[in-house]
Amino acid sequence: SQTIHQWPATLVQPVGSPLSLECTVEGTSNPNLYWYRQAAGRGLQLLFYSVGIGQISSEVPQNLSASRPQDRQFILSSKKLLLSDSGFYLCAWSDRGIITDTQYFGPGTRLTVL
Amino acid sequence: AQSVAQPEDQVNVAEGNPLTVKCTYSVSGNPYLFWYVQYPNRGLQFLLKYITGDNLVKGSYGFEAEFNKSQTSFHLKKPSALVSDSALYFCASPPDRGSTLGRLYFGRGTQLTVWP
Repeated sequence: SQTIHQWPATLVQPVGSPLSLECTVEGTSNPNLYWYRQAAGRGLQLLFYSVGIGQISSEVPQNLSASRPQDRQFILSSKKLLLSDSGFYLCAWSDRGIITDTQYFGPGTRLTVL
Repeated sequence: AQSVAQPEDQVNVAEGNPLTVKCTYSVSGNPYLFWYVQYPNRGLQFLLKYITGDNLVKGSYGFEAEFNKSQTSFHLKKPSALVSDSALYFCASPPDRGSTLGRLYFGRGTQLTVWP
């Protein structure tokens, strides 16, 4: 069966510090991968999605970036965090190329920027 | 393009009573619609989806949803609510039927509280 992992689970970082959040998927090949941010426990904002290694699409321009160095690894990064980057970051995967496929979510990372 | 709306931020229901969490959609043609649930400080869990076929979709944890084309709705329902059903519920749809990328756009979410 497929599983999705995210780490760290929680993170407290000062403004201006770098960020690296990691997401890995097991039990599947060539998944679509997604990064979402959830602010104030509500709506989800799609940040990035990837259909393959090195292929990243950005939904919202901001100081975050994403990379996919391996088929089942998705990384969210920032060179300098802002207070507004605080939130709950969720990674998700789905089978490739089928619009009706379900997205499956990881447990999330709670980021607090002070 | 498809979009969904959840008209209620909060729904309160007594344990044992039926519950309904509302979702309406806007799309030309047949929509693809999903329901997810999120417990506090957890990731989203898939409940069910409508692609085509039977208007009543059965999902996990006793939930079901009714697709109503004339009312452009996809309301989530459960005959008898449990306190453990208290969570944040999201309706979602792909933004573009022609897309193969599998992106989902989510409604704002409805907080369901079931009181004993």
